[in-house]
Amino acid sequence: NAGVMQNPRHLVRRRGQEARLRCSPMKGHSHVYWYRQLPEEGLKFMVYLQKENIIDESGMPKERFSAEFPKEGPSILRIQQVVRGDSAAYFCASSADRGNEKLFFGSGTQLSVL
Amino acid sequence: AQSVAQPEDQVNVAEGNPLTVKCTYSVSGNPYLFWYVQYPNRGLQFLLKYITGDNLVKGSYGFEAEFNKSQTSFHLKKPSALVSDSALYFCAVRASSGGYQKVTFGTGTKLQVIP
Repeated sequence: NAGVMQNPRHLVRRRGQEARLRCSPMKGHSHVYWYRQLPEEGLKFMVYLQKENIIDESGMPKERFSAEFPKEGPSILRIQQVVRGDSAAYFCASSADRGNEKLFFGSGTQLSVL
Repeated sequence: AQSVAQPEDQVNVAEGNPLTVKCTYSVSGNPYLFWYVQYPNRGLQFLLKYITGDNLVKGSYGFEAEFNKSQTSFHLKKPSALVSDSALYFCAVRASSGGYQKVTFGTGTKLQVIP
């Protein structure tokens, strides 16, 4: 019973490149959340998606960032034209329903922008 | 806007002693409250939650938390700390309204249990 799978674990990009982070939720979960973790800032909510729909993107920067959760395949967090300030750990979580009373987290993707 | 405060960046406790990790919150209406633990290079793991009912909530690994509405607090406790409890602990809150509500996390408290 695999948990939430994120890949890659580490991603290095140069300024201006694109970063794609993938997240496969737990089996049977159709609700996915993306969080960003910076040292001394805790976890910051970015976006909540259900299959094929973005439900809440209030925490996601309006430019360069996008997220999707297609009918088939993993959820993707895409960062275009990365800058050094995008360096962080990005965590994906999933839940069985909208109530999100228990989130299951992946091990994260550490993005480093050179 | 809802928020969570974890006033201590780090808590040190001797093995075998009781531990407390503090958390206060702010939310409109009644809260749902959570504690998660993060071990190095891992994602967060759910420890326990308060939804309604008894103010003392028991969770995984012997942890418990006490909901105090008047003080808007939800402190995490354990009677006897283990070295293996050393980790980063996050408190979180969401509003209790039905359906989806955003979960907001605190900045985390590093717990160091000293052998």
